[in-house]
Amino acid sequence: KQEVTQIPAALSVPEGENLVLNCSFTDSAIYNLQWFRQDPGKGLTSLLLIQSSQREQTSGRLNASLDKSSGRSTLYIAASQPGDSATYLCAVTGPNRDDKIIFGKGTRLHILP
Amino acid sequence: NAGVMQNPRHLVRRRGQEARLRCSPMKGHSHVYWYRQLPEEGLKFMVYLQKENIIDESGMPKERFSAEFPKEGPSILRIQQVVRGDSAAYFCASSPGLEAGAERKLFFGSGTQLSVL
Repeated sequence: KQEVTQIPAALSVPEGENLVLNCSFTDSAIYNLQWFRQDPGKGLTSLLLIQSSQREQTSGRLNASLDKSSGRSTLYIAASQPGDSATYLCAVTGPNRDDKIIFGKGTRLHILP
Repeated sequence: NAGVMQNPRHLVRRRGQEARLRCSPMKGHSHVYWYRQLPEEGLKFMVYLQKENIIDESGMPKERFSAEFPKEGPSILRIQQVVRGDSAAYFCASSPGLEAGAERKLFFGSGTQLSVL
């Protein structure tokens, strides 16, 4: 049974710093991995999707990496801004593309102005 | 192109009543997912449907909960005889079909907050 873990559960960093969020999964046989952002009281917004054959994806100040063999993904945020404050969740699909998508509990990020 | 639409945004029910949560997927999306979220918890998978077919309902409680996605109209998550423990945020997401090359990228609605008195 696939389990997704995100550490730390919460993180506070000063504005301008680079930071890394971690995601680990127990079954390395995945189809893809996605990172989402959730603002309080809102739904989730997709940030990045990495296919199992890929090593990383980039969008603006965000970079997500995937190491399938070790069951890990990281989300790197460069030059953090107060607007980056949110909960970040990772989710894995797999091993087949029509399998259900399992989420971690998220990391609650607070950027200090 | 409207996103995933969920209604109502807030739903209050008394114990024993029925709750019906609606989700209209993005235009062109044929797959719908329902997730439940409790405070300080992640999203727990409930059910995954395509039109007129349940693909995976392994996360649905065995009793009182049901879901459908008819050929016409929105997907419905139905909770019969609600109890206080059903209070949570229920999120719906949609994705394109499983044609070759589809990424299974999820697009989420804003959720329905169910409160059971």
